[in-house]
Amino acid sequence: GNSVTQMEGPVTLSEEAFLTINCTYTATGYPSLFWYVQYPGEGLQLLLKATKADDKGSNKGFEATYRKETTSFHLEKGSVQVSDSAVYFCALNPTGANSKLTFGKGITLSVRP
Amino acid sequence: GAGVSQSPSNKVTEKGKDVELRCDPISGHTALYWYRQRLGQGLEFLIYFQGNSAPDKSGLPSDRFSAERTGESVSTLTIQRTQQEDSAVYLCASSLAGPHTGELFFGEGSRLTVL
Repeated sequence: GNSVTQMEGPVTLSEEAFLTINCTYTATGYPSLFWYVQYPGEGLQLLLKATKADDKGSNKGFEATYRKETTSFHLEKGSVQVSDSAVYFCALNPTGANSKLTFGKGITLSVRP
Repeated sequence: GAGVSQSPSNKVTEKGKDVELRCDPISGHTALYWYRQRLGQGLEFLIYFQGNSAPDKSGLPSDRFSAERTGESVSTLTIQRTQQEDSAVYLCASSLAGPHTGELFFGEGSRLTVL
């Protein structure tokens, strides 16, 4: 079946540090891949996505590259800010119009001033 | 507001009682989803409504769970005879198109605690 595995958290970083959050997936075919973010007191919202191999999604300084050879979609940011403190979810959508998003467990990021 | 609205935000109930959770999607969104997040777990798909099509109920964990949606508006998720393992945050999301775009808009969730 389809699954998403995220690195264990929580993660605590100092402001301006480099961030990597690992995500690997298992799926048949060619899924689309997503990162969702949940800021404190808010609902999950789409951060970025990539729909085919070697695509790079980017938004708000975050990037993730769809790597089919390693079945990965790691999230990176060169310099984190306190406002990036949130829970980050990796997700995949298998091929097909009526398929459903499969989410990872999420990881909490805390950024210290 | 213009976002997905869920109520109640918190619900504490006794084992064996029935509960109803409500979701008001973004106006014009034809697709509506319910997910569940247990402590330390990922989001677990429960049910999906798309327009007037028959809902995809494949994620409902037991016959104690049911959901309805009136047209393209409000949805209610009902859990009958609640059990302690039902304790979780229940998330509702809506989208303009089907799930294949991946762009779901989530509410803040309803936290259910079964004592």
